[in-house]
Amino acid sequence: TQLLEQSPQFLSIQEGENLTVYCNSSSVFSSLQWYRQEPGEGPVLLVTVVTGGEVKKLKRLTFQFGDARKDSSLHITAAQPGDTGLYLCAGARDYKLSFGAGTTVTVRA
Amino acid sequence: EAGVTQFPSHSVIEKGQTVTLRCDPISGHDNLYWYRRVMGKEIKFLLHFVKESKQDESGMPNNRFLAERTGGTYSTLKVQPAELEDSGVYFCASRGQASLYGYTFGSGTRLTVV
Repeated sequence: TQLLEQSPQFLSIQEGENLTVYCNSSSVFSSLQWYRQEPGEGPVLLVTVVTGGEVKKLKRLTFQFGDARKDSSLHITAAQPGDTGLYLCAGARDYKLSFGAGTTVTVRA
Repeated sequence: EAGVTQFPSHSVIEKGQTVTLRCDPISGHDNLYWYRRVMGKEIKFLLHFVKESKQDESGMPNNRFLAERTGGTYSTLKVQPAELEDSGVYFCASRGQASLYGYTFGSGTRLTVV
């Protein structure tokens, strides 16, 4: 049983468009993390959200943690080809991470 | 600061053979984790070391997997004997004691059992 459901699985957009990736769960997590993974590399931590309702911004990326700490979203504004990659959400409980299956984002120039 | 180093980066072995994966965490990081991604599935937790002690090994699939962290520095994960379903990418991550959320992952070892 997968604890975290990510959607969509694949996303292909044109440069300059906006996109949102969702991460949903029926479980409560102490924190939720977003990672980006390139081919042949390990996941790289982008952000950690801890408080219900928390919103964090990282340049053109906006991360939100749901009020009940069960779901999260990643929004990219004016996507660029450099944003192409696999985005993973991971919920933390007792310092153990449960990952979603990932969303492959392709930004076409 | 050097990152988390894993080797080999790739390993192809025959069913029934033994393979040992190694992870060198960031120097000074007490917490070391092993994770695995099998084909088509999400990354899953295997186990967690705090220094040389196993804190949580609830994700280890079966007794063919043995993880060690002698001296609390590098860690090894041995699979003996390997089965076809063990194929996947094995990731190691480390975290400093003072950093609640600062996980750093290695590039992984891609294991193929044929």
